[in-house]
Amino acid sequence: SQKIEQNSEALNIQEGKTATLTCNYTNYSPAYLQWYRQDPGRGPVFLLLIRENEKEKRKERLKVTFDTTLKQSLFHITASQPADSATYLCALQYSSASKIIFGSGTRLSIRP
Amino acid sequence: DTAVSQTPKYLVTQMGNDKSIKCEQNLGHDTMYWYKQDSKKFLKIMFSYNNKELIINETVPNRFSPKSPDKAHLNLHINSLELGDSAVYFCASSGTGQTDTQYFGPGTRLTVL
Repeated sequence: SQKIEQNSEALNIQEGKTATLTCNYTNYSPAYLQWYRQDPGRGPVFLLLIRENEKEKRKERLKVTFDTTLKQSLFHITASQPADSATYLCALQYSSASKIIFGSGTRLSIRP
Repeated sequence: DTAVSQTPKYLVTQMGNDKSIKCEQNLGHDTMYWYKQDSKKFLKIMFSYNNKELIINETVPNRFSPKSPDKAHLNLHINSLELGDSAVYFCASSGTGQTDTQYFGPGTRLTVL
């Protein structure tokens, strides 16, 4: 069965640096890969979606890459701020008709 | 205005009881979902409805029964609650096609004693 792994449970970095989070999957590549942000006590909030034929997607300080050879997506936050501290979830979807499978998330802490 | 709302926010109950969680979305979306997030933070889909019809039903005990009276509402009824049902339950909705952005509700933290 499909497995999704997010590189670490927690990541601590200094404010102003670039945070890089990793999402690895097994078996075949999904058609769509999404990234969500979840704050404590709240539901996940959608950030970015990237399709398998796209290498990179950007939105303000966020960048997502999708490498189907490595079976990996990287999520970058540039010029990180303490307000970026949250848990970030990656999610895969194999077709528009299939369910979305979530990773367990990486808890990112940005220290001032 | 809240896009996806759930009630209650917290639910504490005894084993063996029956309880319901309500969900409403005012986004005009066709598809609604129930997810369970356990203590390890894994978010797993339980059910998905499209225009009041069940389209995804994961391996969930039949003690869990979703009901969609209209496409803006998807309620979750749980019979004979067990300790292992303790988790945070999230309702979500999406527009046409499941590749659209999923909008999550605030979650319902269920504690079974």
